[in-house]
Amino acid sequence: AQRVTQPEKLLSVFKGAPVELKCNYSYSGSPELFWYVQYSRQRLQLLLRHISRESIKGFTADLNKGETSFHLKKPFAQEEDSAMYYCALWNSGGYQKVTFGTGTKLQVIP
Amino acid sequence: DTAVSQTPKYLVTQMGNDKSIKCEQNLGHDTMYWYKQDSKKFLKIMFSYNNKELIINETVPNRFSPKSPDKAHLNLHINSLELGDSAVYFCASSQDEGSGANVLTFGAGSRLTVL
Repeated sequence: AQRVTQPEKLLSVFKGAPVELKCNYSYSGSPELFWYVQYSRQRLQLLLRHISRESIKGFTADLNKGETSFHLKKPFAQEEDSAMYYCALWNSGGYQKVTFGTGTKLQVIP
Repeated sequence: DTAVSQTPKYLVTQMGNDKSIKCEQNLGHDTMYWYKQDSKKFLKIMFSYNNKELIINETVPNRFSPKSPDKAHLNLHINSLELGDSAVYFCASSQDEGSGANVLTFGAGSRLTVL
C-alpha cells in the first residue's frame, strides 16, 4: 500500500534561514509526487510536482528514489512561507488516488 | 470565476441532523473528490468519482453518501450527524490527461461543526 510520511508536525525557522521539509514515501510503482501548500484561511493549492523539475517561490524538491524521499527545500525562508505543507503521492497504477502525508506546519519567525 | 466552488462554506448543526455539501467545478475535469481534514489537519480521501462513476470509496461510514448528477458536480450528503463528523470537507477535481493531469484543484472547503 502506498504511504507518505512527513515526520515533522511543526518546523520553526528564522527568516533568512534554510528550510527543509521532509517527505518519505513507500510505493511499489513509479511514483509521481507533489507538494501542496495551504496558507492561512486559503484553499490547498499545488506548490510543485516532481516531473516539472521547477522552482516555485524559491522552493525546490528532488525525487530521490534510492532514499524514497521528496524533501522540499528553500535556501532562505521568508515570512510569507508560513503555511501548512503537504507531500502527496499519486497512485498511477489503477485508479486515480492521491495520498497525502500528515502535513508539516512551517512557521517562519521574523 | 471560481474553478471549484463549494457551498456552504460554514455549516453548524445539531447531532442527528442530515446535511448536504455541494461542489461544482467549471474546469472540465473528469474526476472529482471529497477529502476530509480533521482538527489535526490530516487530509483523508473519502470518495472519488470519474465521469459520474464512483471509483474510490474509502472506509467511510455509510451515513456519508456522495452523488454526482453530472461530471461537473459532486455532492456529499451526511445522515445522522455525529460529533466526530466535525471537520473541514474539501472538494477537489483533476483532469485525466494533458500537462495538468493528476494535479488536484481544491475548493475553499466547507467547515462542518456538529453540536
